Amino acid sequence: EEQLLESGGGLVQPGGSLRLSCAVSGFTFTNYAMNWVRQAPGRGLEWVSSFTVSGGNTYYSDSVKGRFTISGDKSKLTLHLQMNSLRADDTAVYYCVQSRSKFLNDAFDIWGQGTMVTVSS
Amino acid sequence: SLVLTQPPSVSVAPGKTARITCGGDDIGSYSVHWYQQKPGQAPVLVIYYDSGRPSGISERFSGSNSGSTATLTISGVEAGDEADYYCQVWDSSSLHVVFGGGTKLTVL
Repeated sequence: EEQLLESGGGLVQPGGSLRLSCAVSGFTFTNYAMNWVRQAPGRGLEWVSSFTVSGGNTYYSDSVKGRFTISGDKSKLTLHLQMNSLRADDTAVYYCVQSRSKFLNDAFDIWGQGTMVTVSS
Repeated sequence: SLVLTQPPSVSVAPGKTARITCGGDDIGSYSVHWYQQKPGQAPVLVIYYDSGRPSGISERFSGSNSGSTATLTISGVEAGDEADYYCQVWDSSSLHVVFGGGTKLTVL
């Protein structure tokens, strides 16, 4: 069974950093695009970043570009999101998401349970 | 960049048909995916590539996409369909994933 398990969320002060991790199991990591999607409290879904595991290409939303870095560790089957210069409006549940295929226009198929990130002083 | 517009809410009586729209400039030229999200849960894919239905998703869910509007149709609506629904595309021009604002489906 395909599973995604996020970790690394928590409370951080504005300007601080956090590193989210997503452990992958039950599927071949390199055959899919992987993504991070967030949802602020009471708000809709917002795409954060995508990563083509096989090609190592990265894509970011305008709101996080230059502050967040997505990466994948093929040997450890883990997806990461390094978040720097965090702001209050980064507060959200962050979901790790596997696409249906390696193609960026494909749907988001498997979702993790989410990890909460709170940016507050 | 592409903006996807959904009605904030749709209400429908049990057993009737719900139609949730997703509007965007020439959205018919994009591949649209739909997600269902119930309170406190992660989203679930219900329609991919405009009209594909993942394994395990009820046949009552269907999708279409043409011109400037994509539509998610839920026939024979049940109380368990009450949820937020989101449309999503990949914009190859901006290299961005775009989500619609979401529609809250209420079953009367």
